[in-house]
Amino acid sequence: GAVVSQHPSWVICKSGTSVKIECRSLDFQATTMFWYRQFPKQSLMLMATSNEGSKATYEQGVEKDKFLINHASLTLSTLTVTSAHPEDSSFYICSASLTGVFGNTIYFGEGSWLTVV
Amino acid sequence: DQQVKQNSPSLSVQEGRISILNCDYTNSMFDYFLWYKKYPAEGPTFLISISSIKDKNEDGRFTVFLNKSAKHLSLHIVPSQPGDSAVYFCAASDFTGNQFYFGTGTSLTVIP
Repeated sequence: GAVVSQHPSWVICKSGTSVKIECRSLDFQATTMFWYRQFPKQSLMLMATSNEGSKATYEQGVEKDKFLINHASLTLSTLTVTSAHPEDSSFYICSASLTGVFGNTIYFGEGSWLTVV
Repeated sequence: DQQVKQNSPSLSVQEGRISILNCDYTNSMFDYFLWYKKYPAEGPTFLISISSIKDKNEDGRFTVFLNKSAKHLSLHIVPSQPGDSAVYFCAASDFTGNQFYFGTGTSLTVIP
């Protein structure tokens, strides 16, 4: 089946530094990838929709200058958390869209735990 | 405004019985629906989907029913197993598939 891989699965960084999370579709080309953040005991929060070769579309309330998204190829999207602060500590999940006969199915990565100290 | 709603935050079912998870949506433009299962600290896993041209889709122990007039879908798991204990999310998209809307999830506990 379709596989989406996220790296790193766990990262700790110092406050004020930047950290990059990669999302790769391993056996299919994904025109569209999505980035989510999960808060404890809440549903996934869509941060942005990333389309290959174009600028990402950010959801309301998400700072695009802080959460930089690059979708340079059909198999790779990256999320860079710039000038990270402790409140950015969270579980970040990406997904990639696979086009099927009846519609698109999205497959999720394993998620990345970010801890900002 | 939540366009996809799962009104039951939790559900407990005895092993071997049927689990029924419900999901309601408000946008009549949605025509593709998906169910995901999520364990703690992991990404959601795709379970089953249904297009609006169908009202039922079955895959092993999992069956999804769609009632378009009521804007309601449900996931049936039978028989329920302890390994099914997880949070289940329903999601919906329109024909473009460019935006997916998730419900807030229902935590299912299957009691051995």
